[in-house]
Amino acid sequence: AQTVTQSQPEMSVQEAETVTLSCTYDTSESDYYLFWYKQPPSRQMILVIRQEAYKQQNATENRFSVNFQKAAKSFSLKISDSQLGDAAMYFCAYRSAAPGTYKYIFGTGTRLKVLA
Amino acid sequence: DAMVIQNPRYQVTQFGKPVTLSCSQTLNHNVMYWYQQKSSQAPKLLFHYYDKDFNNEADTPDNFQSRRPNTSFCFLDIRSPGLGDAAMYLCATSRAGTGSGNQPQHFGDGTRLSIL
Repeated sequence: AQTVTQSQPEMSVQEAETVTLSCTYDTSESDYYLFWYKQPPSRQMILVIRQEAYKQQNATENRFSVNFQKAAKSFSLKISDSQLGDAAMYFCAYRSAAPGTYKYIFGTGTRLKVLA
Repeated sequence: DAMVIQNPRYQVTQFGKPVTLSCSQTLNHNVMYWYQQKSSQAPKLLFHYYDKDFNNEADTPDNFQSRRPNTSFCFLDIRSPGLGDAAMYLCATSRAGTGSGNQPQHFGDGTRLSIL
């Protein structure tokens, strides 16, 4: 069975600085998808960024980028120019590409605090 | 805008009194999920539907049931809520099918359930 591990329960970053959130996963599959979700306090969980395992190029979305290391089974999220609105819980998630698989496996989350 | 809508946002019930939470979607997604999320923890999958096919997680208590009468609606029934069932309940949807594996889940705002 696949597992997702986020080893940082909490991180802090100064406004305008850069922070990296870690995520590792365990799988025997070669084809899968990885996601980072953001959950602000008392608000909806939303997608931040996604990565297909078959793509070597790291995904980027504006200030958000990932460092995908397939061999190391690592999928970290880098937030550049941090803003107060980035404060939230961040969850890393895995989804198998096997046909008929619809489950997303979540890590335990990292709470990000942004300091003014 | 297409979205996932959960009602109510806050639900209070008495110990042992049945309660139903509802979820609707305008995304026309074929997969719907129910998660339980306790404070600062990862969402825990209770069950999901692929169209009308119901998939229960092995560790979901029998106290939790679900119904999906059509594509747009899904309900979570808690037959005899205990104090340990107080949590945020999240509904999510995703699109399944060929080429859709990298599609993320879309979440509702959640229903916070309190047990008196």
